Amino acid sequence: GEDVEQSLFLSVREGDSSVINCTYTDSSSTYLYWYKQEPGAGLQLLTYIFSNMDMKQDQRLTVLLNKKDKHLSLRIADTQTGDSAIYFCAESKNAGNMLTFGGGTRLMVKP
Amino acid sequence: GAVVSQHPSRVICKSGTSVKIECRSLDFQATTMFWYRQFPKQSLMLMATSNEGSKATYEQGVEKDKFLINHASLTLSTLTVTSAHPEDSSFYICSAGGTGGENEQFFGPGTRLTVL
Repeated sequence: GEDVEQSLFLSVREGDSSVINCTYTDSSSTYLYWYKQEPGAGLQLLTYIFSNMDMKQDQRLTVLLNKKDKHLSLRIADTQTGDSAIYFCAESKNAGNMLTFGGGTRLMVKP
Repeated sequence: GAVVSQHPSRVICKSGTSVKIECRSLDFQATTMFWYRQFPKQSLMLMATSNEGSKATYEQGVEKDKFLINHASLTLSTLTVTSAHPEDSSFYICSAGGTGGENEQFFGPGTRLTVL
């Protein structure tokens, strides 16, 4: 079955860049997503990338996809304390939009 | 983007009671909705796929008689946790498939269930 893995924890200083990594096993993944979850809240879609792209930039966010290595990363430039949250990567195929999530990476931003 | 709501946002109940959670797509029609469960400090696990007008499809290990799903209309799916026990305490999140080409799901804000 599908497997999506992330590192558990990342700590950075305010103003630095954060890079959160994700690996997946299913080569038929069509869309790859990054979601943000703040404490006690639901999921907020940050960005997504289609599998035929290798990079997508959206303001402070940059997504890099290495399809050969099945590696996805999210870079947050100029990280702020408000970016502290859990970040989930997820993948889907065109199978009714069902998502498979990674375990989540807790980002802690220190002042 | 599209909006998905859930009600209630938080519920505390006694062991043995049943709890119904509603998931509504407010500004679009969703033929398919998904129910996820998230235990503390863990990821989201898909419980079932809810299809309007037909039976839900449950993931392996999810008891369909315990977690009753009804998708009676294109904007409403309900999840009923029957005879709830403390181990059912969790964060339940629904999502609805987007109609755009980007294959996006729109998530509800979640329901925190605590069973005493």
